Amino acid sequence: GENVEQHPSTLSVQEGDSAVIKCTYSDSASNYFPWYKQELGKGPQLIIDIRSNVGEKKDQRIAVTLNKTAKHFSLHITETQPEDSAVYFCAANNFNKFYFGSGTKLNVKP
Amino acid sequence: DAGITQSPRHKVTETGTPVTLRCHQTENHRYMYWYRQDPGHGLRLIHYSYGVKDTDKGEVSDGYSVSRSKTEDFLLTLESATSSQTSVYFCAISEGGNGETQYFGPGTRLLVL
Repeated sequence: GENVEQHPSTLSVQEGDSAVIKCTYSDSASNYFPWYKQELGKGPQLIIDIRSNVGEKKDQRIAVTLNKTAKHFSLHITETQPEDSAVYFCAANNFNKFYFGSGTKLNVKP
Repeated sequence: DAGITQSPRHKVTETGTPVTLRCHQTENHRYMYWYRQDPGHGLRLIHYSYGVKDTDKGEVSDGYSVSRSKTEDFLLTLESATSSQTSVYFCAISEGGNGETQYFGPGTRLLVL
């Protein structure tokens, strides 16, 4: 099956700085890559996604890039704010199943 | 928020007892999923359903069974709970299974003593 690896496991940045989280996947058949934000005690919430026919997608301060050849995709958060502090998960969608990375705990220091 | 509820939200049970968790949706989505979340493992798929009475296994299906008799309800049963099944369980829904957005429920925290 698919294997998704996510790095780093923790990330601490100063408010206003950028944060980058990287994921790799193993199965070239995976074609949809969502990113989720999870706050303490809550379920994951989709923040951005990208499909395999697109190389980059932006939504205000958040962007995702996809390199199909290298099988990796990244989440970029610019101008970080304290409310961005949470756990972020990447995922790969492969034949009706979703495979998740192990998560990155982002801490934005005021 | 997507109309997904999970019940119970918290449960403590003893080893060897059967446990059933319920996921209810009001979105009429075709696909429903059960995941478990453990530290260092992210979310792992247990089972999913692609329609009434249509289910398939995920990565970690041993010791779990599911049933879907109505579009809106997806039940997860731990046939004989073990301490290794202590976890947070999330239900998710999506309109389709391939390339469609998943929406997650609030989770059920299960402790098996």
